[in-house]
Amino acid sequence: KQEVTQIPAALSVPEGENLVLNCSFTDSAIYNLQWFRQDPGKGLTSLLLIQSSQREQTSGRLNASLDKSSGRSTLYIAASQPGDSATYLCAVIIQGAQKLVFGQGTRLTINP
Amino acid sequence: GAVVSQHPSWVICKSGTSVKIECRSLDFQATTMFWYRQFPKQSLMLMATSNEGSKATYEQGVEKDKFLINHASLTLSTLTVTSAHPEDSSFYICSARPLAGGAVELFFGEGSRLTVL
Repeated sequence: KQEVTQIPAALSVPEGENLVLNCSFTDSAIYNLQWFRQDPGKGLTSLLLIQSSQREQTSGRLNASLDKSSGRSTLYIAASQPGDSATYLCAVIIQGAQKLVFGQGTRLTINP
Repeated sequence: GAVVSQHPSWVICKSGTSVKIECRSLDFQATTMFWYRQFPKQSLMLMATSNEGSKATYEQGVEKDKFLINHASLTLSTLTVTSAHPEDSSFYICSARPLAGGAVELFFGEGSRLTVL
C-alpha cells in the first residue's frame, strides 16, 4: 500500500528565506508526483507536476525534484513571501491506478 | 490552467435531508472525475472515482448508497449526500482529469463545505 509522508507538518519562517518541503513515498512504482497548494477553506491549486521519467520541474520561485529510487521529492521555494503562506500537499499516482495518494501536508507560515 | 467549478461552495441543511453537489469542468472534457472528503486539518481522502457513462468506483469504507455519484456528461459529475447527518459535515472536493494530453495532471474544484445541523 502506497503511503505518502510530508515533513515537517508545520513550518514558520521569516520573509525572504529560501525553504525546502519534503515528501516521501513508500512505493517507487509511481506514474507521477504532483505538488499542490491549499489555502484555508479552499480547494487545491496545482503547482507542479513531475512525471516519473523527469527529475525536476520549475515554475517561477518554485522548484520540485523527484528521486524515484529513494522515494523522495522536495519542493524548494525561493525568496519566500507572506503570500506563500498555505498548506502544501504532495500526491503520487501509482502506476496502473488513476487515483492520487496524498500526504498529510505541510502548513507553511511566512512571517513579514 | 484548466478550471473546475463546484457548486454550491457551502451549504447548511437539516439532518435527514439530501444535498447535491455539482462538479463541472469549464474549459475541458473529463472522462474521469474524483470525489474527496477532507476533515479539518487533515489531508484529502478519496471517496470515489467517477467515470462518464458508467458506475462510480467507491473506496473501501465509503457507502455507495449514502454518497450517490452520477457522471452524466464529459463536463459534469454530481455527488448527492443522502439522508445527511451531522457526521457527514465535511469539506468535499472534486477533481477532474482532462481527456486530452499525455500528462496525467489533475485539476481541483474550490470545494464545497457541508454543514448538517
